[in-house]
Amino acid sequence: EAQVTQNPRYLITVTGKKLTVTCSQNMNHEYMSWYRQDPGLGLRQIYYSMNVEVTDKGDVPEGYKVSRKEKRNFPLILESPSPNQTSLYFCASSSPGAANTEAFFGQGTRLTVV
Amino acid sequence: DQQVKQNSPSLSVQEGRISILNCDYTNSMFDYFLWYKKYPAEGPTFLISISSIKDKNEDGRFTVFLNKSAKHLSLHIVPSQPGDSAVYFCAASGDNYGQNFVFGPGTRLSVLP
Repeated sequence: EAQVTQNPRYLITVTGKKLTVTCSQNMNHEYMSWYRQDPGLGLRQIYYSMNVEVTDKGDVPEGYKVSRKEKRNFPLILESPSPNQTSLYFCASSSPGAANTEAFFGQGTRLTVV
Repeated sequence: DQQVKQNSPSLSVQEGRISILNCDYTNSMFDYFLWYKKYPAEGPTFLISISSIKDKNEDGRFTVFLNKSAKHLSLHIVPSQPGDSAVYFCAASGDNYGQNFVFGPGTRLSVLP
């Protein structure tokens, strides 16, 4: 089954404690990205990657890091989480060569930073 | 300033009637538009898209209309069903790679039995 898998689904952590949210896709997509969803703001792009070892900032990259060492994985790293990073996070993947250029999303990670 | 706007945070419609969800955008470089549907505790799922070379695209009960001069698109659902109750996001893309999407804030649709 084609899917994007995020882990964990739910996470409560304390300010300053480094954490990583993993994302993996099995569709051989070149493009992957991370979004955060906040009430009234929709989904805002944090970082994206056009292929292995190629990453770039989205609209709200402050406080986040990413890496793309393998095509299937695109982890999101919060080196020193703060309460304003409490949000619902989605990973997505897509392939620009596909007939329908839509992104496939993971199920989301709800992060609470206290 | 939001480049993609969905001015109705919520919409209630009777089952069997038409649902019309609206989306406005400000960036004239956008040339590809999508609608996503999101149920609670799930990720958004793709619903329908339209390229700027078209003004209408249909897929079963779902039709998207694009008015480029007004920078406006709308999603029509006919007939509406209770299973359509979800949050609907409008998204737009304008970069050459066609992968960086800007999302609107979403409209919560409730279809009443």
